[in-house]
Amino acid sequence: GAVVSQHPSWVICKSGTSVKIECRSLDFQATTMFWYRQFPKQSLMLMATSNEGSKATYEQGVEKDKFLINHASLTLSTLTVTSAHPEDSSFYICSAPGDSLTQETQYFGPGTRLLVL
Amino acid sequence: LAKTTQPISMDSYEGQEVNITCSHNNIATNDYITWYQQFPSQGPRFIIQGYKTKVTNEVASLFIPADRKSSTLSLPRVSLSDTAVYYCLVGARTDSWGKFQFGAGTQVVVTP
Repeated sequence: GAVVSQHPSWVICKSGTSVKIECRSLDFQATTMFWYRQFPKQSLMLMATSNEGSKATYEQGVEKDKFLINHASLTLSTLTVTSAHPEDSSFYICSAPGDSLTQETQYFGPGTRLLVL
Repeated sequence: LAKTTQPISMDSYEGQEVNITCSHNNIATNDYITWYQQFPSQGPRFIIQGYKTKVTNEVASLFIPADRKSSTLSLPRVSLSDTAVYYCLVGARTDSWGKFQFGAGTQVVVTP
């Protein structure tokens, strides 16, 4: 089946620094990937759609200059949290649509826990 | 935009069948119905997907009535390890996923 990985699985950083999170589709290509954020005891909130070869599209209320997304290749999307603050502490999850055999299915990464001190 | 509504929580005992119904009154013609399972601090895991009628795999069954305005996930003979949050989502690749938005999900708690 389609596998999506994320790196790192968890990260702790100081306030004001930037953190990069990678999302990879391991055995399939993904021209589109999605980034979600999940706070404790809450559902996943879609942040943005990452598009290979073009700019990401952001959901309303998500600051594009703070959450930089780069879809560098057909298997890699990165989310950079710039000038992170404690309120950015959350669980970040990416997803990608499956391949032609499972094209209507989204596959999710294991998530990245970010803690900003 | 197909919004989904599910019960917030359900409790069950080991060995029982758990049925979770999801309402999606505004489902579009191209939309598929997909159910995911999420454990704490993990990404959602695909359980089952369907378009209409009934779908069954090794872990669950999905019942979809003819009008497709709702769907029911059936988990047979649950165990303690089935304690998780279950999400029902609708969407399709053909409309660029129509914003694959998560609802609140259903917290299933299985006790001995």
